[in-house]
Amino acid sequence: DGGITQSPKYLFRKEGQNVTLSCEQNLNHDAMYWYRQDPGQGLRLIYYSQIVNDFQKGDIAEGYSVSREKKESFPLTVTSAQKNPTAFYLCASSVPNQPQHFGDGTRLSIL
Amino acid sequence: GNSVTQMEGPVTLSEEAFLTINCTYTATGYPSLFWYVQYPGEGLQLLLKATKADDKGSNKGFEATYRKETTSFHLEKGSVQVSDSAVYFCALISMDTGRRALTFGSGTRLQVQP
Repeated sequence: DGGITQSPKYLFRKEGQNVTLSCEQNLNHDAMYWYRQDPGQGLRLIYYSQIVNDFQKGDIAEGYSVSREKKESFPLTVTSAQKNPTAFYLCASSVPNQPQHFGDGTRLSIL
Repeated sequence: GNSVTQMEGPVTLSEEAFLTINCTYTATGYPSLFWYVQYPGEGLQLLLKATKADDKGSNKGFEATYRKETTSFHLEKGSVQVSDSAVYFCALISMDTGRRALTFGSGTRLQVQP
């Protein structure tokens, strides 16, 4: 079945550590996105990529980094510069002018 | 910039009650509008969409009409079920900006009691 796979489902970060969240899609979508969700809030855009080898900052990119070396993959690194990383992270993908499909999310917590 | 405002929750209803969740928006140009649903611990699923004024999106008994004059996209269902308990997000994409990412409202939690 086609879809978006995020891993791991739960992730713990120590102080000063970088962690990477995986997002893989087999929908053949050109565009991919990372959102952050905090309790009681909507989703906020971290980074997005419209095409391989290109990505753009979203509204809250500070403390995060991404890469888009393959069409299927859009990993997100939460760096030690992100001082409040505890959140639910959602990856999405789409083709132009069509709704976005979402993965099941990764919940990141601080040890 | 673009923004979406939803009514605050939680909304608590009895089974078979009528549901309305209000959503209004501010956007450049002519946005496409969406309702997504999130069940506990899961990602978002598209519930319905509308791409131009006066369009009505519908799915699983839910409906929403794109009202350009009132910049609204209210979600309705005639008879809710316990299984409809979830968080509902209104969202938009404005094609004028070149940024094809969704702008979300803060979400409205719906609790349906048997």
